[in-house]
Amino acid sequence: KNEVEQSPQNLTAQEGEFITINCSYSVGISALHWLQQHPGGGIVSLFMLSSGKKKHGRLIATINIQEKHSSLHITASHPRDSAVYICAALNTGNQFYFGTGTSLTVIP
Amino acid sequence: DAGITQSPRHKVTETGTPVTLRCHQTENHRYMYWYRQDPGHGLRLIHYSYGVKDTDKGEVSDGYSVSRSKTEDFLLTLESATSSQTSVYFCAIRSLAGVLDTQYFGPGTRLTVL
Repeated sequence: KNEVEQSPQNLTAQEGEFITINCSYSVGISALHWLQQHPGGGIVSLFMLSSGKKKHGRLIATINIQEKHSSLHITASHPRDSAVYICAALNTGNQFYFGTGTSLTVIP
Repeated sequence: DAGITQSPRHKVTETGTPVTLRCHQTENHRYMYWYRQDPGHGLRLIHYSYGVKDTDKGEVSDGYSVSRSKTEDFLLTLESATSSQTSVYFCAIRSLAGVLDTQYFGPGTRLTVL
């Protein structure tokens, strides 16, 4: 059983579409981390949040602690957004538990 | 990238041989992590450290040991490599600078055990 579940596993979108990736977790957490991994393999931190909403450019992350759910939204998607998006739950023991990722392809 | 490097970047070894992977950081972060990434499993925590000589096991620690004798270096050792340890290994640090709490990842080490 994985403590962190992401959906969908794969997502294809047309350029310009609004995209939502979902993350649900079962562990008690102190924060939720969204990451991006490009085909070359490098992993980049996007957001770490423990409540409410954070925005950076076209990316928005939200979290609902009561429902144990977080979403990552991409507005006006672009082919360069094509990557794997990973959520990770940080438990109170300073350990991260990762989802298996959502593979996003944005078609021009 | 918070000044994180991993060495080697690629390694091919034979079953039964010991292997040590090195993670080096330049910014004095307290928390360091070793993960492995495998298709279908995502990233999984092997071991982590919360200070010099302070380490703890993650969910997939069997067959691995770690050491942290200096703040900047976190070593992962496979005592006797097995084919099931073929994977991509990532080191990460957790930055707690001010209100920013995030993880930075190293570039990864691709290990193949034949």
